[in-house]
Amino acid sequence: QKEVEQNSGPLSVPEGAIASLNCTYSDRGSQSFFWYRQYSGKSPELIMSIYSNGDKEDGRFTAQLNKASQYVSLLIRDSQPSDSATYLCAEGGSNYKLTFGKGTLLTVNP
Amino acid sequence: GAVVSQHPSRVICKSGTSVKIECRSLDFQATTMFWYRQFPKQSLMLMATSNEGSKATYEQGVEKDKFLINHASLTLSTLTVTSAHPEDSSFYICSARSTERGTRNSPLHFGNGTRLTVT
Repeated sequence: QKEVEQNSGPLSVPEGAIASLNCTYSDRGSQSFFWYRQYSGKSPELIMSIYSNGDKEDGRFTAQLNKASQYVSLLIRDSQPSDSATYLCAEGGSNYKLTFGKGTLLTVNP
Repeated sequence: GAVVSQHPSRVICKSGTSVKIECRSLDFQATTMFWYRQFPKQSLMLMATSNEGSKATYEQGVEKDKFLINHASLTLSTLTVTSAHPEDSSFYICSARSTERGTRNSPLHFGNGTRLTVT
């Protein structure tokens, strides 16, 4: 049974700070990893995808992947109150099904 | 970017009636779609995997006779909640990944969800 683990939080950071979200996964053969953001009462939306070891940057967001440690992270620079949401980590299997973590609730305080 | 359209966004029905929810991939083909359910303040729960042209695969504990899934084309899957009861009130979300050639690692895209309230 594949597992994706995330700290449930809540993680609280002040506006302008860096928010760091972490995720570990159990399947050493996983090839694709995704970060989703879910606002309360809404469906998840894709923020980042990452497939190779190292960092991938997109605006204020940086995803980091370390396959040897089976670890994925998401950094949000210059955090804004609008970033307050639940962040879901997911890993992709060979059957098109994603395995999701339970999500980390992030609160950015003005 | 890839778009998944889900309809209706909100439905209120009486106990004992059936409700059909549609999920369409608008700009890609998806032989596989996924149906999730989410109760307030809880995690996404995968209900079933919808397979075009064949039977859906249900997760443990999900009643296949209650949650009927039909995946009649490469872009459309439907979920019918039969004989709905108040405990079926939840947020139902469909999702799809492109299954076109060369897109094995493509992201999963979600519809906007359907909030079902059974009275």
